[in-house]
Amino acid sequence: DAGVIQSPRHEVTEMGQEVTLRCKPISGHNSLFWYRQTMMRGLELLIYFNNNVPIDDSGMPEDRFSAKMPNASFSTLKIQPSEPRDSAVYFCASSSTGGGTEAFFGQGTRLTVV
Amino acid sequence: AQSVSQHNHHVILSEAASLELGCNYSYGGTVNLFWYVQYPGQHLQLLLKYFSGDPLVKGIKGFEAEFIKSKFSFNLRKPSVQWSDTAEYFCAVIGKTSYDKVIFGPGTSLSVIP
Repeated sequence: DAGVIQSPRHEVTEMGQEVTLRCKPISGHNSLFWYRQTMMRGLELLIYFNNNVPIDDSGMPEDRFSAKMPNASFSTLKIQPSEPRDSAVYFCASSSTGGGTEAFFGQGTRLTVV
Repeated sequence: AQSVSQHNHHVILSEAASLELGCNYSYGGTVNLFWYVQYPGQHLQLLLKYFSGDPLVKGIKGFEAEFIKSKFSFNLRKPSVQWSDTAEYFCAVIGKTSYDKVIFGPGTSLSVIP
């Protein structure tokens, strides 16, 4: 298995632009997590899905952020409009069902908003 | 409230020194516990995990951790660190039910001096 695949690996965009980050979880995993990592705030859980359904989006910072999981093999995290304070590394992770299993992380997308 | 705390924000050791990183958690119910490692510029990788059984678990690269239920602790240890262990270490906890999410600690940055 190729693991969790995220794209793009790096994204530089101008303030106000829409940004879409993509994630392909490990095949067979049905929980998917989006995290944001910054020096100041550490690792933050933004949202997580179970069987394509958003279970907890309390970590989404504001309405500019949205996430979808249209099927078991694909998820997107969208920021519209983007702001410089959104600059961070965004990680996607997936895990299998049954509760309590470990999460496998993708390589992350480093987002820079200028 | 569910939370994970890590005792040290930044640890600096010389090679061959022994390592112990503290982790305590607050969670209502039975949990599974993890330590993840993040090498510079890379994603999080699982170092070791505890689900049940022997509270002393061994992971990769000579790391081990001990679960002490009465203290709600899951400390990470290594008898002799190497320069290549320089990384960020995250303790994490998840409940055993299907919809529980992984709660990460703030991380401990380890710098090993040759």
